[in-house]
Amino acid sequence: AQSVTQLGSHVSVSEGALVLLRCNYSSSVPPYLFWYVQYPNQGLQLLLKYTTGATLVKGINGFEAEFKKSETSFHLTKPSAHMSDAAEYFCAVRVAGDKIIFGKGTRLHILP
Amino acid sequence: AAGVIQSPRHLIKEKRETATLKCYPIPRHDTVYWYQQGPGQDPQFLISFYEKMQSDKGSIPDRFSAQQFSDYHSELNMSSLELGDSALYFCASRVQGVNEKLFFGSGTQLSVL
Repeated sequence: AQSVTQLGSHVSVSEGALVLLRCNYSSSVPPYLFWYVQYPNQGLQLLLKYTTGATLVKGINGFEAEFKKSETSFHLTKPSAHMSDAAEYFCAVRVAGDKIIFGKGTRLHILP
Repeated sequence: AAGVIQSPRHLIKEKRETATLKCYPIPRHDTVYWYQQGPGQDPQFLISFYEKMQSDKGSIPDRFSAQQFSDYHSELNMSSLELGDSALYFCASRVQGVNEKLFFGSGTQLSVL
């Protein structure tokens, strides 16, 4: 069975600083990996996903994530944080034919 | 600790039938979200409620309706079911607030035959 762990339920960064949200997964077969974002009062939105191919995945709003099989990680990064990035971010894993499993989420706070 | 409860866990219906899925949020949670995940698909946001009022709407078909009741549980009503409605429907709940966490239910697997 697959699982996903997000390190840190709350992360604070200054505006303009690097954003790094950590995600580690466990899967017995090659996984599909996702990052979702939820802004206040809205449903989940897909930021980016990894299925196969290039391990560095670029998403919306300047975010990207790198699939590192050796580290079983899929950390989300953005070079320069913006106030509008304040939201909750969910890492998720899915294997073909199975349901998606979400992490517990990381709340990103942007400090002025 | 109590979690988000969904019922039924599995549901089998035939085309053109109706179905009602239920979501019981964690106690004190006032906000509920519904998602649909088709076979091999990514989850799609359907609709959300806060304090019994619809707060956001996603890709919910007109054949579907939902509401949140005074005890904060929510029901997703699906009519004129189609084969393409076969999916995992899961809900999530939270307390409205900047720092409140979102919790997911295990989902209802709907099969339309």
